[in-house]
Amino acid sequence: DSGVTQTPKHLITATGQRVTLRCSPRSGDLSVYWYQQSLDQGLQFLIQYYNGEERAKGNILERFSAQQFPDLHSELNLSSLELGDSALYFCASSSRRLTDTQYFGPGTRLTVL
Amino acid sequence: KNQVEQSPQSLIILEGKNCTLQCNYTVSPFSNLRWYKQDTGRGPVSLTIMTFSENTKSNGRYTATLDADTKQSSLHITASQLSDSASYICVVSAGTSGTYKYIFGTGTRLKVLA
Repeated sequence: DSGVTQTPKHLITATGQRVTLRCSPRSGDLSVYWYQQSLDQGLQFLIQYYNGEERAKGNILERFSAQQFPDLHSELNLSSLELGDSALYFCASSSRRLTDTQYFGPGTRLTVL
Repeated sequence: KNQVEQSPQSLIILEGKNCTLQCNYTVSPFSNLRWYKQDTGRGPVSLTIMTFSENTKSNGRYTATLDADTKQSSLHITASQLSDSASYICVVSAGTSGTYKYIFGTGTRLKVLA
């Protein structure tokens, strides 16, 4: 158990819909990262927040957005869902420095029908 | 273009044997290189993190090396166990604060047989 929690574990929805994935980092960690893992693309970095502010952006689509709240939990919002958005979405957290270990949560499996 | 390539794609070895996985990258500006172990359907688990100035780092039976000149890294697994069966992913971090990116390799799938 990494100490990072993600909800829900599974999510099944239809094309065009909007969903919100939630992540609670390890106690004391200030950074939260979101990643997408699909069968054809592998793992991809989406976005990072540090203490409530966006720190780095990867291959995140405009239909996706994220935020980190004052209690440090984070949410990833996916809208206008397409079949290709079906994937495992991982959240990770780390303490402070760029070289700190990232601890990954168990992931949310999103299926878009 | 920032790229991370891993080889082999898959590997089968017998329990107790050693193996070495490769990672080549073309990433600039280099910040650090990480190796992760990922069991199917689960989140990756960090094995090692190396910065530019480090050329070897160990974590139990896992030893990673980094050659920043040739832009190559390897992960050596000693005395393999059945529980080592997993995907091993190399990730290179590039950029500076504000423009930081993580570039993932496609992984090596290792199967350890009894």
